[in-house]
Amino acid sequence: SYELTQPPSVSVSPGQTANITCSGDKLGDKYACWYQQKPGQSPILVIYQDTKRPSGIPERFSGSNSGNTATLTITGTQAMDEADYYCQAWDSRASYVFGSGTKVTVL
Amino acid sequence: EVQLVESGGGLVKPGGSLRVSCAASGFTFSTYSLNWVRQAPGKGLEWVSSITRSNFIFYADSVKGRFTISRDNAKNSLYLQMNRLRADDTAVYYCASAPNYGDHPFDYWGQGTLVTVSS
Repeated sequence: SYELTQPPSVSVSPGQTANITCSGDKLGDKYACWYQQKPGQSPILVIYQDTKRPSGIPERFSGSNSGNTATLTITGTQAMDEADYYCQAWDSRASYVFGSGTKVTVL
Repeated sequence: EVQLVESGGGLVKPGGSLRVSCAASGFTFSTYSLNWVRQAPGKGLEWVSSITRSNFIFYADSVKGRFTISRDNAKNSLYLQMNRLRADDTAVYYCASAPNYGDHPFDYWGQGTLVTVSS
């Protein structure tokens, strides 16, 4: 099976940069995407195909993917960005795989 | 506006069956791959099943042989028939759309429907 590993939590001060990592074997050879989920709400897509932002997603969200690690970066983090973030990739054997999730706290 | 609305969740006893549905609107349903993703209380997201626009079907190992995904393009609806339910199937079940199966993200999600398996 294929696994994606994320840190359980990341803390960031308002206005600072948050980096959320997602690790998996040769993840850089796959496309990674990222979802934001706020309490009691459904997930929303914030980054797809490693670096692309869907319409309506603020420019402060960006992504990268190389080697074994994909990273979601939130530049100039705002209080409204406090949420759980999940990475996802598709593996030809395991199908869709989600990371374990990272809780971002804006202190 | 794209909308995905799940229904059919509820309380069911272990070993029982339940069918959840997802009504879609705002996009050309027949051209999309559709997916079920679940989230146990306080836990992360888990992919459950996918059905492509050509009706190819895929399941997670945890539900293979117990769950059946289907779609009705005439009704713009997606279904998940769940049999032999277990306590660890308790979760919010989300339907999600994707432009295609494979390296394509889940671009829209429904609000979810809660399935509770308990005696």
